[in-house]
Amino acid sequence: GENVEQHPSTLSVQEGDSAVIKCTYSDSASNYFPWYKQELGKGPQLIIDIRSNVGEKKDQRIAVTLNKTAKHFSLHITETQPEDSAVYFCAASPGPRGNKLVFGAGTILRVKS
Amino acid sequence: DAGITQSPRHKVTETGTPVTLRCHQTENHRYMYWYRQDPGHGLRLIHYSYGVKDTDKGEVSDGYSVSRSKTEDFLLTLESATSSQTSVYFCAISGATNTGELFFGEGSRLTVL
Repeated sequence: GENVEQHPSTLSVQEGDSAVIKCTYSDSASNYFPWYKQELGKGPQLIIDIRSNVGEKKDQRIAVTLNKTAKHFSLHITETQPEDSAVYFCAASPGPRGNKLVFGAGTILRVKS
Repeated sequence: DAGITQSPRHKVTETGTPVTLRCHQTENHRYMYWYRQDPGHGLRLIHYSYGVKDTDKGEVSDGYSVSRSKTEDFLLTLESATSSQTSVYFCAISGATNTGELFFGEGSRLTVL
């Protein structure tokens, strides 16, 4: 089955700096790659996603890139702010029926002000 | 926020006792999921449902069963709880197949002593 690896497990940056989180996946049939943000005591929330027919997608300070050949995708956050501090999860969707996402282990992002 | 309610939000129980967690949605979404979240493992799919009385196993289904007798309710049962099932359990819903956003509940923290 699909396996998603995520790095780093923790990341500390200064406010205003950029943060990059990387994920690799194993199943070449996966075609949907979302990123979720989880704040303390809450459920994860979708922040951005990318489909396999697109190489890059941006939404304000957040961007995601996908390299299908290498089977990896990355989350880029520019001009980080304290409210970006959270746990971030990447995921991949390997199946055609239902959205059975396989998640990475998560990255704890700390933005120091 | 998506209309998802998980109950109970916190539960402490003893090894060998049965436990049922409930997920209730008001969005009339077709797909419902149960994930568990553990440090170092991210979110792992336990069971999911495509509709009433239509369920299937996820990657960590051993020791768990589910039922969905109504569109709005998805129950997760631990027939005989073990300490390895101590975790935070998240219910999620989705209205689309394969490439759609998951909306998560706020989680149920279960401790098995």
